[in-house]
Amino acid sequence: QVQLVESGGGLVKPGGSLRLSCAASGFTFSDYYMNWIRQAPGKGLEWVSYIGSTNIYTHYADSVKGRFTISRDNANNSLYLQMNNLRAEDTALYYCAGGWGGTPAWWGQGTLVTVSS
Amino acid sequence: DIQMTQSPSSLSASVGDRVTITCRASQGIRNDLGWYQQKPGKAPKRLIYAASSLQSGVPSRFSGSGSGTEFTLTIASLQPEDFATYYCLQHNSYPWTFGQGTKVEIK
Repeated sequence: QVQLVESGGGLVKPGGSLRLSCAASGFTFSDYYMNWIRQAPGKGLEWVSYIGSTNIYTHYADSVKGRFTISRDNANNSLYLQMNNLRAEDTALYYCAGGWGGTPAWWGQGTLVTVSS
Repeated sequence: DIQMTQSPSSLSASVGDRVTITCRASQGIRNDLGWYQQKPGKAPKRLIYAASSLQSGVPSRFSGSGSGTEFTLTIASLQPEDFATYYCLQHNSYPWTFGQGTKVEIK
């Protein structure tokens, strides 16, 4: 069955960097677009970034543009999010999500990023 | 950016009730919309895609309708396990945007 497992979250100081990873299994990873979506504690869902099935097409929310970079390694069925210059407002649970039918069908369980001094 | 206005923000209903949640887009998005259910401490689960297509494995009491700027998620007969927060998501143009969420409480 489809599995998405995020890792790499943790506590980081403002201005710091973190790299999130998502390991995919149970489907042909290279055939599908992927996203990062986040949820601040007690808040709603916020779309962060999209990457097409290859590394050619990427899109970002304005709130992270220029600071975050999405990438993927289809040979290793992995999705990444490089996060630089982190701010307190980036504190959230980060979900890896992707699939078919327009909106993401498959979601991981999330990895928590906390930005605090 | 396309704004998704979801209403109501919360509701309380009894088991067996018919429940309707609405999302309004600030501009036309064809049928490029999905509906999600999220229970506390869990990842969102897709219920509906392409505005009205039922995700495999989702009970048939859930249905979606609409096109353009007005969309509706309907739960035909509310069950105790439907206590959750529901979100719409548009993927017509970037940035993708979610509605604010509707918390459904069981009376």
